[in-house]
Amino acid sequence: DGGITQSPKYLFRKEGQNVTLSCEQNLNHDAMYWYRQDPGQGLRLIYYSQIVNDFQKGDIAEGYSVSREKKESFPLTVTSAQKNPTAFYLCASKGGVWAYGYTFGSGTRLTVV
Amino acid sequence: KQEVTQIPAALSVPEGENLVLNCSFTDSAIYNLQWFRQDPGKGLTSLLLIQSSQREQTSGRLNASLDKSSGRSTLYIAASQPGDSATYLCAVSTGFQKLVFGTGTRLLVSP
Repeated sequence: DGGITQSPKYLFRKEGQNVTLSCEQNLNHDAMYWYRQDPGQGLRLIYYSQIVNDFQKGDIAEGYSVSREKKESFPLTVTSAQKNPTAFYLCASKGGVWAYGYTFGSGTRLTVV
Repeated sequence: KQEVTQIPAALSVPEGENLVLNCSFTDSAIYNLQWFRQDPGKGLTSLLLIQSSQREQTSGRLNASLDKSSGRSTLYIAASQPGDSATYLCAVSTGFQKLVFGTGTRLLVSP
């Protein structure tokens, strides 16, 4: 079945540590996205990529970095510069034209310990 | 700046009731609107996608309408069941790279 796989499901980060969240899709979608979800707030866009080797900052990119070396993969690194990283992170992908909807993964919950 | 509002924030109903969830957006220049369901601690499941040129979409017991000119969408759930309990999110697409979400309606259907 086609879909998006996020791993790990739970991740714990120590202060000052960088961590990487994995996102893989087998939908052959060109565009991929990372969103952050906090209680009581809507999802907020961190980074997005419309094509391999290209990506753009979203609304809350500070403290995060991404890469897009393969069409299927869009990993997100939460750096030590992100002061409040505890949140639920969701990866999404989208087909080539605006008429298509978004498909989301099952999420990674990151907690700072 | 596009803003999406969902009312009510929470809703509790007995099983079997028909119910309506509301979504409003401030900028009518949208490409499409998508309704999602989110169970606690889980990702988003797409329920219905309405293109800007469409008025409604139906899937099983779910019906979503769109009035772009007034900036409103409703999600109608017929004959609600306890398994419908979840948070329902509305999101509008304002371009290839931009999906703007509401904060959701948390639904509880009691047996």
